[in-house]
Amino acid sequence: GESVGLHLPTLSVQEGDNSIINCAYSNSASDYFIWYKQESGKGPQFIIDIRSNMDKRQGQRVTVLLNKTVKHLSLQIAATQPGDSAVYFCAESLPGNTGKLIFGQGTTLQVKP
Amino acid sequence: GAGVSQSPSNKVTEKGKDVELRCDPISGHTALYWYRQSLGQGLEFLIYFQGNSAPDKSGLPSDRFSAERTGGSVSTLTIQRTQQEDSAVYLCASSFDRGGETQYFGPGTRLLVL
Repeated sequence: GESVGLHLPTLSVQEGDNSIINCAYSNSASDYFIWYKQESGKGPQFIIDIRSNMDKRQGQRVTVLLNKTVKHLSLQIAATQPGDSAVYFCAESLPGNTGKLIFGQGTTLQVKP
Repeated sequence: GAGVSQSPSNKVTEKGKDVELRCDPISGHTALYWYRQSLGQGLEFLIYFQGNSAPDKSGLPSDRFSAERTGGSVSTLTIQRTQQEDSAVYLCASSFDRGGETQYFGPGTRLLVL
């Protein structure tokens, strides 16, 4: 069935290093992808999104890369900070869909000071 | 501007009781979504509202779950005869439109069924 999965459940990085969180999606027809950050006890917070007609999109300290050939999505965080510690979810949306998002299980990012 | 708000933030109920969860979307957003998040899991789609169109109820897990949206704004998710497996965080999101628009989430309602 349709699913979005994450390669690693937990990622531990040193403060100041760059982080890369990976995501595999199963439906090649998906045309919209989004990354959320969820801190403990809070709702998911939008980080960055990308549409299928793009390969890369940059934000302030984040970059999302989309490889449609292998159905892979990644989130790169530059100069990781303690405040980046959270669970990160990728999600996909299918065209012609109601817009509902299909979420992966999440990757926990731990930033060591 | 104000984000998505949800109430109550926490709800403890006894098995068999009915509960109502409320969501106030961002003003001007026409699409509203409900998701459920079990402990340590990703989000599971429940239901979607878009304007005056019939809602997409394809994610509701059983007929004990229902939702309505009054006046195209506030939404209420109702769970009848709650079961322990209903314990989860219920999240509401809204967006300007459907399909490919950023969904903004509320803080969620943490439901515990004893």
